[in-house]
Amino acid sequence: AQSVAQPEDQVNVAEGNPLTVKCTYSVSGNPYLFWYVQYPNRGLQFLLKYITGDNLVKGSYGFEAEFNKSQTSFHLKKPSALVSDSALYFCAVSAPYNNNDMRFGAGTRLTVKP
Amino acid sequence: DADVTQTPRNRITKTGKRIMLECSQTKGHDRMYWYRQDPGLGLRLIYYSFDVKDINKGEISDGYSVSRQAQAKFSLSLESAIPNQTALYFCATSDSEGTASVDSNQPQHFGDGTRLSIL
Repeated sequence: AQSVAQPEDQVNVAEGNPLTVKCTYSVSGNPYLFWYVQYPNRGLQFLLKYITGDNLVKGSYGFEAEFNKSQTSFHLKKPSALVSDSALYFCAVSAPYNNNDMRFGAGTRLTVKP
Repeated sequence: DADVTQTPRNRITKTGKRIMLECSQTKGHDRMYWYRQDPGLGLRLIYYSFDVKDINKGEISDGYSVSRQAQAKFSLSLESAIPNQTALYFCATSDSEGTASVDSNQPQHFGDGTRLSIL
């Protein structure tokens, strides 16, 4: 079955600096990749997805993610972090035409300090 | 996401009790899911349903059952709760995938969760 790994439990950045949250995946065939964000006491919110096409995907709130097939990675990025970006971020992968079997990473807690 | 409503938001109960968590949605989506979230483990799929007459086991279905009462309602039951079922439970929905559609694998929309504690 497909899987994702988020190698960092915690990422700390200063406000205004660029941020990267890392994700690597394992799947048979072409992956469908997603990033979600979770704020305290809330459910997950969809940020962006990669299905096919350009390797750089743009999403909500100024986030983007870069798909790298050779490195099986899908890192989330933002050029300039905001304090309000502080949250728990989840990477997820599913197989083509089968998003009922979406596998989530363990999550990375992003803290942006003023 | 206010379009996906979970009740109750919090529940504390005792070992051996039967518990039902409810989920309703106004998004008109065909597909509904139940996940549990545990610290350090991310989300794991319990059950999912493609429509009213379709129920499928997920990654960790043992000890749980579900009912899809209508397109908009999907409930999760713990027949005899045990302490290791203490977790945060999420319901999610997604739109149906079109056949041969580039934009298949639609994103899932989550409720705000039910925090369940079993003593």
